[in-house]
Amino acid sequence: TQLLEQSPQFLSIQEGENLTVYCNSSSVFSSLQWYRQEPGEGPVLLVTVVTGGEVKKLKRLTFQFGDARKDSSLHITAAQTGDTGLYLCAGAHPDRGSTLGRLYFGRGTQLTVWP
Amino acid sequence: GAGVSQSPSNKVTEKGKDVELRCDPISGHTALYWYRQSLGQGLEFLIYFQGNSAPDKSGLPSDRFSAERTGGSVSTLTIQRTQQEDSAVYLCASSPPAATNEKLFFGSGTQLSVL
Repeated sequence: TQLLEQSPQFLSIQEGENLTVYCNSSSVFSSLQWYRQEPGEGPVLLVTVVTGGEVKKLKRLTFQFGDARKDSSLHITAAQTGDTGLYLCAGAHPDRGSTLGRLYFGRGTQLTVWP
Repeated sequence: GAGVSQSPSNKVTEKGKDVELRCDPISGHTALYWYRQSLGQGLEFLIYFQGNSAPDKSGLPSDRFSAERTGGSVSTLTIQRTQQEDSAVYLCASSPPAATNEKLFFGSGTQLSVL
């Protein structure tokens, strides 16, 4: 069973469009991370959110952690071809405290941005 | 190099053979993780080493899987009597000395194919 459900699984858009991807769970997480993975490479951390309701911005990317710390969203404004990749969310389970080794990953959203 | 190094990058083996996958973490990183990524799936936690503490082996799928970390640095993941369902990308990650919400730095992975 997946603790974290990501949607949509696939997203194909034109350059310049906006998009939002979601990461949902019935569990509460002490923190949640977003990674981007490109073919043949390992995931690269984009952001960590730790406080319910927290919003973080990274250039055109906006990350939000739900008030109850069970869900998160990633919004990309004016997508570019360089945003293409697999976006993974990962949660640190609260009963493990800050032991990030037990990160639970979602299956990811495969984003393709066409020129 | 400055990043997490994994070898080999690709491994093709026959069902029933043993394989060893190697991970060289970033110098100074005390924590080391192994994850497995199958096609269409998220990252599946396998094992976690933190300093001299006993490793968290709770993610290993069967007793055919084992891992060790020598001298607090290089780690080897061994799969005995490989099965076709073991085919996946095996990712290693390391993180700096314990701090809240530390980053995981991933290697590029080993693509294992069991024929």
